[in-house]
Amino acid sequence: QQKVQQSPESLSVPEGGMASLNCTSSDRNFQYFWWYRQHSGEGPKALMSIFSDGDKKEGRFTAHLNKASLHVSLHIRDSQPSDSALYFCAASEQGDTNAYKVIFGKGTHLHVLP
Amino acid sequence: GALVYQYPRRTICKSGTSMRMECQAVGFQATSVAWYRQSPQKTFELIALSTVNSAIKYEQNFTQEKFPISHPNLSFSSMTVLNAYLEDRGLYLCGAEADRGGNTLYFGEGSRLIVV
Repeated sequence: QQKVQQSPESLSVPEGGMASLNCTSSDRNFQYFWWYRQHSGEGPKALMSIFSDGDKKEGRFTAHLNKASLHVSLHIRDSQPSDSALYFCAASEQGDTNAYKVIFGKGTHLHVLP
Repeated sequence: GALVYQYPRRTICKSGTSMRMECQAVGFQATSVAWYRQSPQKTFELIALSTVNSAIKYEQNFTQEKFPISHPNLSFSSMTVLNAYLEDRGLYLCGAEADRGGNTLYFGEGSRLIVV
């Protein structure tokens, strides 16, 4: 079973709109989360990490974690065409310690329509 | 900022031959390196986690005999795909963890393996 599930598979939002992406871990050991973004032809780049319950905001990006349900979401406000990319949720057993494996979800393909 | 360079970007190899790929961390010390394969469908598979001065941990379905990894110092790692076949095609990504702690992975652009 896939340890990290993402939804939706694909999402289209108008320019300036709000994009909301979801992710759930099926393994209670994997409760430290990251969001990565991958543009076509490039490697994935870390957007933000979230390890504690609640919201974490970085510019137009807000992540929300509910540890009880192991659900994390990413909200992108004022979406721009340059935000069009594959977004991956990743989870690990440890957040602050090196050398723990990081497992990725299957990704959400975000299309921001001009 | 943290940069990771991977080489080569793309290789076309004949079925049954091997391909070696390199991963260089620039501007930071990579105490751990995770090698992934991203399938044509964009799914990530973790191949192995390599930590300097520790044994390399391979995931199920991946072996040292097929994917030997070298991690000789804090800025360099290499992996070889031996006897590559169609099912080995994909984008091989190196994700390096900085020595300041935390599991945030800094990825290179990947080495794409095409098998003909």
